[in-house]
Amino acid sequence: GAGVSQSPSNKVTEKGKDVELRCDPISGHTALYWYRQSLGQGLEFLIYFQGNSAPDKSGLPSDRFSAERTGGSVSTLTIQRTQQEDSAVYLCASSLEAGVGKTQYFGPGTRLLVL
Amino acid sequence: SQKIEQNSEALNIQEGKTATLTCNYTNYSPAYLQWYRQDPGRGPVFLLLIRENEKEKRKERLKVTFDTTLKQSLFHITASQPADSATYLCARPGYSSASKIIFGSGTRLSIRP
Repeated sequence: GAGVSQSPSNKVTEKGKDVELRCDPISGHTALYWYRQSLGQGLEFLIYFQGNSAPDKSGLPSDRFSAERTGGSVSTLTIQRTQQEDSAVYLCASSLEAGVGKTQYFGPGTRLLVL
Repeated sequence: SQKIEQNSEALNIQEGKTATLTCNYTNYSPAYLQWYRQDPGRGPVFLLLIRENEKEKRKERLKVTFDTTLKQSLFHITASQPADSATYLCARPGYSSASKIIFGSGTRLSIRP
């Protein structure tokens, strides 16, 4: 079946605007992750969803960032009042289930540029 | 805090040679380490997982080791090919939450013909 998909693939916005990034995980995957990758940097964990459990939001850098996952499938990452330092690639990943060592399958990412 | 470091930002080697990438971690030994490959403009792709009680794991031309004494994992690509050129990331589970995966910054590997 299809892999993880993300939209839009690229987003250019002005400072202060809100943006929404979408992730469609692999069908049947109960765990979903959001990461941020700045130029030349590793992946920075943002948030993690597992089934109906409360999400692990410990990686969100500020209260301008929020995410939700509707119906245990599609997820939306929202960044309010964007800042230039929010410019990065936002990657989504899903795995069949949570747990030690479960393989994460990544989407292609959304490249966000805040002017 | 748990850190994971990939010492070499970039590595250039001749085709046919063995590429060796290093990943070092701090504090306690994680239950496992993972290695991913990332090509430009794409998300990472899982390659190998090695558990704490495994010293070595192989997959085709890939070999990963886990040394809990040195707090280090080595990733080897034997008989390297230009198609192996990519950024390679190592990752470990977090301490407070095993689902919170911590990634290294990656090593950009270039294989010249």
